[in-house]
Parts: sequence; C-alpha cells; structure tokens
Amino acid sequence: DSGVTQTPKHLITATGQRVTLRCSPRSGDLSVYWYQQSLDQGLQFLIQYYNGEERAKGNILERFSAQQFPDLHSELNLSSLELGDSALYFCASSVGVAGGLINEQFFGPGTRLTVL
Amino acid sequence: SQKIEQNSEALNIQEGKTATLTCNYTNYSPAYLQWYRQDPGRGPVFLLLIRENEKEKRKERLKVTFDTTLKQSLFHITASQPADSATYLCALESGGSYIPTFGRGTSLIVHP
Repeated sequence: DSGVTQTPKHLITATGQRVTLRCSPRSGDLSVYWYQQSLDQGLQFLIQYYNGEERAKGNILERFSAQQFPDLHSELNLSSLELGDSALYFCASSVGVAGGLINEQFFGPGTRLTVL
Repeated sequence: SQKIEQNSEALNIQEGKTATLTCNYTNYSPAYLQWYRQDPGRGPVFLLLIRENEKEKRKERLKVTFDTTLKQSLFHITASQPADSATYLCALESGGSYIPTFGRGTSLIVHP
C-alpha cells in the first residue's frame, strides 16, 4: 500500500459526459501528479501540483483540468468525454517539488475509466 | 525527437537466473533515471533512482547501470523468482524539467 488513495476505482460513463477523479496523497507529501495510461500510449504525464499551485503541465487536453485543495487532495476533471479517453488514470505523490536530490513518486491504485 | 525504448517483447527466464532489462534513450540528457515495477492493473512502484554521475546502483537483488555515453541503462535482477514477474518501466528526468518521462515497459516472466 503506497499510502496514496484514489476514488473511484472504476468509472463507466458515456461520451460527452463529465467526471471527477479524486486523489489523496501520502501524509506529508506536497506534490501530486496525474498520469494517464492507455494500451497504445503507455504512461503519460498530465499535470503536477505542488502545495496547491500548478507546477508542471504535460500532455493534458484542454477538456481536462485539475486542482489541488488546501488539504492537499487533488481532483482531475474530465469533460466532453470521448471514447479515446478510456484509460487508467493514476495519481502519484512525492515529498518535494521534484527534481533536486530525489524524486521518488508513490502511485495510487488508479481509476479505470471506461467511456461508452 | 526524444525517445525512450524498452523491449516490447516479454523476457522469459528460469527461476534463479539473472534477468537483464534494457532502457535506451535518444535526444535526452537525463539528470536522473528511475526504474519502476508495475503489476497488472496496479500503479507503478518505485525501485531505484540513479544519477547521471553514478555508474551503478544496487539494492538487494537489484542492480542498475547508467551509461550516458551509450545512452543506456541496464536493470538486473539476480536470483530471480516467480514473484519478480511484472512489467518494469524506466523513466528519465531531465535536469530542469522535474517530470519523469516513462518508457513503455518490458514484461518479465520468471518461470519456476
């Protein structure tokens, strides 16, 4: 158990809908990262938050947005869903802002999103 | 363009042997390289990090080498066990970008 929790575990929805994925980082971790993993794309970095502020952005679509709240939990919002958004979405957390001496990330169990 | 290459074919070995997985990269100058283990349907688990000025890192039965001239990292598991069967991902973090970029991973299958 990594200490990172994600809800829900599974989500089935229809095209055009909007969903929210939730992540609670390990106690004491200030950074939260979101990743998308699909069979054809591998593990793709979406976005990072550090202590409530957006820190880095990857291949995140404009239909997707995220935020980190004062209690450090994070939410990833996916809207106008398309079939191609079906994937595993992972949240990870780390102590520091990343880079520097070490950047060990602890991954949550993921949310499996299926768009029908 | 930047590429991270890991063998897409599964590596099958017998229990007790040493498994060696390869991570090659192009158009990167990584400050760090990490290896993760991922089991089906679960999140990756961090194993080892090696810095660009380190040639080798060990942790129990695991050993990682990092050759910045060859642009390659090798990941070894000695005395492999069936429980080591999983997909192993390498990730590069270029100095300044702070974000790991992951390879597609190589599946390791250890047969009893």
